[in-house]
Amino acid sequence: GDSVTQMEGPVTLSEEAFLTINCTYTATGYPSLFWYVQYPGEGLQLLLKATKADDKGSNKGFEATYRKETTSFHLEKGSVQVSDSAVYFCALSRNNQGGKLIFGQGTELSVKP
Amino acid sequence: EPEVTQTPSHQVTQMGQEVILRCVPISNHLYFYWYRQILGQKVEFLVSFYNNEISEKSEIFDDQFSVERPDGSNFTLKIRSTKLEDSAMYFCASRTGLEPSTDTQYFGPGTRLTVL
Repeated sequence: GDSVTQMEGPVTLSEEAFLTINCTYTATGYPSLFWYVQYPGEGLQLLLKATKADDKGSNKGFEATYRKETTSFHLEKGSVQVSDSAVYFCALSRNNQGGKLIFGQGTELSVKP
Repeated sequence: EPEVTQTPSHQVTQMGQEVILRCVPISNHLYFYWYRQILGQKVEFLVSFYNNEISEKSEIFDDQFSVERPDGSNFTLKIRSTKLEDSAMYFCASRTGLEPSTDTQYFGPGTRLTVL
């Protein structure tokens, strides 16, 4: 079945460091890919998405490119801030299956001043 | 900006009791979902709901679980006889449609269910 695998956390970075969180997926066809963020004590917020191969999603300085050939959707940010500390979830959905989201295990990011 | 709301934010119950978790999806959305997140684990799909019926459910969603959209605005998840392992954060989500331009799911803040 479909699945999403993320790099394990926690990831600890200093402010202004470069961030990469790896995400790979297993699915047939062309699922939509998402990154959701969960700040402490809050629900899930959509960070960015991509719906077809080679699409790049971007938001708040974060970027991820849909790579069909490597089945990946790695999250990157050039310069992280303390306020980026959160748990990041990679997810996919296949719209011909009612659109449920399948999540990776989440990666906790901690940014130190 | 429209948002998904959930009540209560925290529910404590005794094992074997029934609980109802409530959600108000975004008003023009057509697809509704429940997910759960056991502490420290990944977010898991429970059920999807469209056109007043379940469109898909996971193996977690057994006979103890049910969903309902009783009045066109609320979307509820009922657990008939709670177990200790039902303790989790439960998230409601909704989306407009299934096309890529409308397939973003918007999540509520969650209800933390604690079963004692």
